[in-house]
Amino acid sequence: KAGVTQTPRYLIKTRGQQVTLSCSPISGHRSVSWYQQTPGQGLQFLFEYFSETQRNKGNFPGRFSGRQFSNSRSEMNVSTLELGDSALYLCASSTGASGANVLTFGAGSRLTVL
Amino acid sequence: QKEVEQNSGPLSVPEGAIASLNCTYSDRVSQSFFWYRQYSGKSPELIMSIYSNGDKEDGRFTAQLNKASQYVSLLIRDSQPSDSATYLCAVFTGGGNKLTFGTGTQLKVEL
Repeated sequence: KAGVTQTPRYLIKTRGQQVTLSCSPISGHRSVSWYQQTPGQGLQFLFEYFSETQRNKGNFPGRFSGRQFSNSRSEMNVSTLELGDSALYLCASSTGASGANVLTFGAGSRLTVL
Repeated sequence: QKEVEQNSGPLSVPEGAIASLNCTYSDRVSQSFFWYRQYSGKSPELIMSIYSNGDKEDGRFTAQLNKASQYVSLLIRDSQPSDSATYLCAVFTGGGNKLTFGTGTQLKVEL
């Protein structure tokens, strides 16, 4: 079956712009999580959505937001981009039950902010 | 103190040797533990999950968990050059599906 699909795969933006990233989870998966990966900080948890509700949120500023649609697809948005937002943004899906679920990652969206 | 700690490496082992990767975590109530492998330029892929104390084996991989010591390890037997990658230890902390990652250990398997 199809894996986790993220679009776009690569994008370049300038400071001050905003960006929207999309994630389609594995069919039947209801939980979608977002992570930011940078060389200095590693993988950092952004937020998790389950059944269209944000269930968990990491320590990121309010410029980072997300949402989930009724078909479990998710989007994340970063407004007023800063140079430090350059990173690989990873989406992961799981069936949704708390705690013990395996997360399957998409290929990621690589954002470069100039 | 970081929630999940790993030695960044690189850890170099000769082909055919056993590679031992270690991870410690700070949250005593953590229940689920995972090892992910990430090749350069790729996304993390799950290698092993472990939920109870002891060893869990899958092919050349063995995960070990000691909750009393808050310690998780991954052994790779008969290491191959294709095992060269960054290995990420991950722990479920908090509610929902929040996964906290270590910064990863870079493994290099040399011919």
